[in-house]
Amino acid sequence: NAGVTQTPKFQVLKTGQSMTLQCAQDMNHNSMYWYRQDPGMGLRLIYYSASEGTTDKGEVPNGYNVSRLNKREFSLRLESAAPSQTSVYFCASSVRHGPDTQYFGPGTRLTVL
Amino acid sequence: SQQGEEDPQALSIQEGENATMNCSYKTSINNLQWYRQNSGRGLVHLILIRSNEREKHSGRLRVTLDTSKKSSSLLITASRAADTASYFCATDAGTSGSRLTFGEGTQLTVNP
Repeated sequence: NAGVTQTPKFQVLKTGQSMTLQCAQDMNHNSMYWYRQDPGMGLRLIYYSASEGTTDKGEVPNGYNVSRLNKREFSLRLESAAPSQTSVYFCASSVRHGPDTQYFGPGTRLTVL
Repeated sequence: SQQGEEDPQALSIQEGENATMNCSYKTSINNLQWYRQNSGRGLVHLILIRSNEREKHSGRLRVTLDTSKKSSSLLITASRAADTASYFCATDAGTSGSRLTFGEGTQLTVNP
């Protein structure tokens, strides 16, 4: 099992450009999450999908959209990138939503110039 | 606001010594989890302790939970250079369907 995979690993954008971060899990988990990690800020939840067909905002959703394409895949889209979105983005999944163990992908390092 | 807060922010020890990290939280919880993050990698789950448990062991890891003080500690015994990483506690708000909230982490450096 590959676990949680993310693409791309690195990305550089110019302000105003758009892009989609891809995430897939092969553990048959119901819930998936997108976090961003900034120095000194820990992980902050952007959006999550408790189950296939549902998505909800997390702590810092502004400037992002998500799509739960199917049970395996959960994408994060930046419609108009801003320098404040420079961060490392992590996707995670868990068997069910709530206080359950989460399994993380390797991350995408995004720089917005 | 962060539910879990780790202390200290950074810890540097020699190989073979024990490392203790603490986590404090504000509201009641269902469980508390500890994760490790090696530089440039994703988080890896280490151990989960439920609110009705006081202590749990996994290999060289020992976790305690004191719900009356709303705090937890992670002890790594006989540390190794490979233990160098950031360690995060994660808590929930104690309600059904509540999500995990991660603290800012403790950066542990184990010097050979």
